[in-house]
Amino acid sequence: DIQMTQSPATLSASVGDRVTITCRATQSISSWLAWYQHKPGKAPKLLIYQVSSLEGGVPSRFSGSGSGTEFTLTISSLQPEDLATYYCQQYNNYPCSFGQGTKLELK
Amino acid sequence: QVQLVQSGAEVRKPGASVKVSCKASGYSLSTYGISWVRRTPGQGLEWIGWINGKNGNTNYIQKVEGRLIMTTDTSTNTAYMELRSLRSDDTAVYYCARNSDTWLFDYWGQGTLVTVSS
Repeated sequence: DIQMTQSPATLSASVGDRVTITCRATQSISSWLAWYQHKPGKAPKLLIYQVSSLEGGVPSRFSGSGSGTEFTLTISSLQPEDLATYYCQQYNNYPCSFGQGTKLELK
Repeated sequence: QVQLVQSGAEVRKPGASVKVSCKASGYSLSTYGISWVRRTPGQGLEWIGWINGKNGNTNYIQKVEGRLIMTTDTSTNTAYMELRSLRSDDTAVYYCARNSDTWLFDYWGQGTLVTVSS
């Protein structure tokens, strides 16, 4: 099975900061990488699929990049509503797998 | 709009069973699959199984094989996940999520906390 590793586990940032989260896979997953945003008590939300494609309605300050085994999620200017836990997911291989999550906190 | 609404929190003793529901609205369950993903303390998210909404075929991870049963009721547009012989390490928040032909989940339920404790 493919293992996904995210870093950092927790990220403290200020409103307006540029934020980057990294996700690494134990083997190549081509471009089958998604990012989800999860706020406590709410349903997780699909943000980005196929590395860099934004799901409808997702603000353009979110972007994704990478290929093969290393990927990043970037928020260009952090907003208060972006405070959440972010998960990467590979859906190239069965079973699909998720990273451990990165909790984004306000500094 | 598409919504998945799950049943409320459950507490069970080890060895018991639990059944969690996931009611879909805004689309027909028979046109998509439903996966179940759980979040355990310190373990992140773990996909545990899937039911094909079109034909009812299922896939489960080995860890829950033999204990997990996924079903759908097309008359109420509701999916169910029943986990039997519960163990303490089954304690988690369980989410239903919609997927089509890939393992990409475009809509999720709000989650159901299942606590297994003696």
